[in-house]
Amino acid sequence: DTGVSQDPRHKITKRGQNVTFRCDPISEHNRLYWYRQTLGQGPEFLTYFQNEAQLEKSRLLSDRFSAERPKGSFSTLEIQRTEQGDSAMYLCASSPDSFNTEAFFGQGTRLTVV
Amino acid sequence: AQTVTQSQPEMSVQEAETVTLSCTYDTSESDYYLFWYKQPPSRQMILVIRQEAYKQQNATENRFSVNFQKAAKSFSLKISDSQLGDAAMYFCAYREDLYNAGNNRKLIWGLGTSLAVNP
Repeated sequence: DTGVSQDPRHKITKRGQNVTFRCDPISEHNRLYWYRQTLGQGPEFLTYFQNEAQLEKSRLLSDRFSAERPKGSFSTLEIQRTEQGDSAMYLCASSPDSFNTEAFFGQGTRLTVV
Repeated sequence: AQTVTQSQPEMSVQEAETVTLSCTYDTSESDYYLFWYKQPPSRQMILVIRQEAYKQQNATENRFSVNFQKAAKSFSLKISDSQLGDAAMYFCAYREDLYNAGNNRKLIWGLGTSLAVNP
């Protein structure tokens, strides 16, 4: 296991379509985070899982967004009825339970809604 | 609410020279973590250095060091002997202490500073 893996790396979709992204965290990490990063901005927190439980969702996560982490392993982030404003880089990060550790990031999925 | 401010959208440095990137933050908490992350073009975010707020000593990692001023809520990053591979976006990030944030260790980010290294 070499790190956090995200798939796909790039996605172009037409407005109104649904898209799903996948994140595979580092295997022993039970904490998983999704962030969104738009051009020229820092990442913004979207949601957090501890194992399979989704413990916090940002108000940025509208009803069109849903995230899951079945069995506490990989996670998926789905966006329904995409809008142009959804165009962004979606970052996934994971970390272990140890207190004094940082989050490890994947390379992100860049979404372009046309 | 906590905020992180990076007031330098772009910086440049000559190879082998030293550069300092600024970061200020706002919080009412006394226990927290501060981070500098590096994001090279089209590559993943990687941790550069971390500072625990309860530690008075400034963190160092090889050519990277911080100047942590808790009272002033300032957390600058110094890169010594700059190398071409240091060119990237640098983000300052804040994380609440575990017991203040419940179980969520989400990061709060600045807007980033784009660092160019000139040969």
